Amino acid sequence: QAVVSQEPSLTVSPGGTVTLTCGCSTGAVTSGQFPYWFQQMPGQAPKTLIYDTSKKQSWTPARFSGSLLGGKAALTLSGAQPEDEADYYCFILCSGGRVFGGGTRLTVL
Amino acid sequence: QVQLQESGPGLVKPSQTLSLTCSVSGGGSISSGNYYWGWIRQPAGKGLEWIGRIYTNGATFYNPSLKSRVSISLDASKSQFSLELSSVTAADTAVYYCIREPPGSWGQGIQVTVSS
Repeated sequence: QAVVSQEPSLTVSPGGTVTLTCGCSTGAVTSGQFPYWFQQMPGQAPKTLIYDTSKKQSWTPARFSGSLLGGKAALTLSGAQPEDEADYYCFILCSGGRVFGGGTRLTVL
Repeated sequence: QVQLQESGPGLVKPSQTLSLTCSVSGGGSISSGNYYWGWIRQPAGKGLEWIGRIYTNGATFYNPSLKSRVSISLDASKSQFSLELSSVTAADTAVYYCIREPPGSWGQGIQVTVSS
C-alpha cells in the first residue's frame, strides 16, 4: 500500500516560519493528487486548513499557505502563533487511493 | 455552508456490522455537484485513516485494507450517506468522521466502540 510521509515533529519559534511537507511513496506529488492539510487540536475534530494544494477555507488564517515544493505538498506557516501548536495531517491521492500522512506535531516554542 | 452530522450506535459487538449515517444540510442535493462524500476514522491516540468515499454519481472508492468489509451508499432523498463495516473487531474501535470533498467539511465525529 502507498505510504504518505510527513515529518513526525517540528518546532518553530513564535513569529517564525516553518514548512511541513507531504510526500507520496510512488513519486512526486502534483496538483492532480489534490493535497489537503488538516489541523487537529487535542480532543477536537480535525479542521481543513488547505484543500486542492493551495485553496483556503474561510477560517484559515492568512499566515497558512499551501504549495508544491520539491516534489512534495507543503504547508507553510509564516509568523507562528502559540495557538498554532497542534497536529497537522496531509491527505492526498497516492497510488490510486486517498491516504493520510502520519501527521506532524508542531510545537511553538 | 454545508453541515454534516454522524449518527449511529456507539457500541457494536465483535463480528457484527457497524452502521453509521451522515446527515447533510445546507448544501443542496447530495447527488448533484462534483463532490465526494467520505468516511474517516481515528483510533484513540492515533492518526487519521481514510475508509472510503462515494461520488455524487454513486461511484465508490475504498481503502484497500478495508475494501472487503466496507460499503458506502448515498440516499439523496434523505440527504444522507451511510457506512457499513462488517465483521468488526476491537481494532475498529475509533472516532468515525464523515467529510465532504471539496473543500473538506467535517462532521463532529462519533465514538464507536467494539466490545461484547
